[in-house]
Amino acid sequence: QQQVKQSPQSLIVQKGGISIINCAYENTAFDYFPWYQQFPGKGPALLIAIRPDVSEKKEGRFTISFNKSAKQFSLHIMDSQPGDSATYFCAASIAGTASKLTFGTGTRLQVTL
Amino acid sequence: GAVVSQHPSWVICKSGTSVKIECRSLDFQATTMFWYRQFPKQSLMLMATSNEGSKATYEQGVEKDKFLINHASLTLSTLTVTSAHPEDSSFYICSATVPGGRYGYTFGSGTRLTVV
Repeated sequence: QQQVKQSPQSLIVQKGGISIINCAYENTAFDYFPWYQQFPGKGPALLIAIRPDVSEKKEGRFTISFNKSAKQFSLHIMDSQPGDSATYFCAASIAGTASKLTFGTGTRLQVTL
Repeated sequence: GAVVSQHPSWVICKSGTSVKIECRSLDFQATTMFWYRQFPKQSLMLMATSNEGSKATYEQGVEKDKFLINHASLTLSTLTVTSAHPEDSSFYICSATVPGGRYGYTFGSGTRLTVV
């Protein structure tokens, strides 16, 4: 019930294209859904986060779409750039940031020229 | 923004010795800190949750006597890997948060531990 399933495992996108990563959760008590970007040898960095009272949140080239009824959320990276090549993790927690994060399995994104 | 400093960034130690990793919140007081372990090309695995001034809560399967966590102040948590063995070699990452805080969970830059 605590799982967050993430797909795809890896993704190759051409420069300028749209990268889409999907996550699904089971625990309806989750109420905070962040996305993290991680470069090799570094800790994860917060990209964008959403709470279940909104269906979409956009920050620059990054957009989260959230479907509460389907228990799914996704990350869209518009105009993907080679510098976006990294591993992306979705996550979820209960009670905002008061409890532990449950991470997805990660998606390795490669943006080609 | 919120910054978490983790030190050292990498360490090599001999089998049987102990290693301490520090995690500091630089510009905020972290009531809760988390310690993760990450194997190559895998997700982060939560090891334990620590709250300032109280004992850490370990996840199932994590040896509390091997991975000692101390959260003595609102800005510092330490993870000590005791009697390290090669199988303890991994990437260790800390995270700090303030419940309801603006910046969510902030992660350190990680520590690469190699036990030889």
